[in-house]
Amino acid sequence: DQQVKQNSPSLSVQEGRISILNCDYTNSMFDYFLWYKKYPAEGPTFLISISSIKDKNEDGRFTVFLNKSAKHLSLHIVPSQPGDSAVYFCAASAARGGSEKLVFGKGTKLTVNP
Amino acid sequence: GAGVSQTPSNKVTEKGKYVELRCDPISGHTALYWYRQSLGQGPEFLIYFQGTGAADDSGLPNDRFFAVRPEGSVSTLKIQRTERGDSAVYLCASSSTSYNEQFFGPGTRLTVL
Repeated sequence: DQQVKQNSPSLSVQEGRISILNCDYTNSMFDYFLWYKKYPAEGPTFLISISSIKDKNEDGRFTVFLNKSAKHLSLHIVPSQPGDSAVYFCAASAARGGSEKLVFGKGTKLTVNP
Repeated sequence: GAGVSQTPSNKVTEKGKYVELRCDPISGHTALYWYRQSLGQGPEFLIYFQGTGAADDSGLPNDRFFAVRPEGSVSTLKIQRTERGDSAVYLCASSSTSYNEQFFGPGTRLTVL
């Protein structure tokens, strides 16, 4: 039973356009959400996070939106660059409930074409 | 500063053998996590240490898997009687406190023949 779902295995966008990566979750105890980027043969690299008390967090070209009622979050990358091509993982934790572990989705492979 | 390091980067072993995987967290990080990532999947939680003690080991698949962190810094994941299904990338992460992001190492790719 997947608690964090990334339903799009892949996404292709043109350089300069917006990339939107989506993530859904089922566990209402999750209160902290993160996005990681992963290149081949490397560990995941932290990108951006959001606490459940917020609905938006922005860091440069990256913005994460959280819709708690829909149990949905999204990562927006504007403008997209070829170097953004990687696998993006959504992750969630229930830290307030005493669970520090991250639960990951299966990832979305983003390709940004020059 | 140095990030999380893991050794070895690759490990090939035969079915039934014992292996140890090592993780060096970021200096000063009290929390340390082990995850396992199989092909086409996201990382799956194995165990979490806060200091020297295992605060949550609910992700360990069975009693062949064991992890230690005797001095609250370096951790070793130990796998006994390895099976082909244990083949995966084993990732280690550390963080300074709860509600902080976890920083991952490059992983150890374990192949059981």
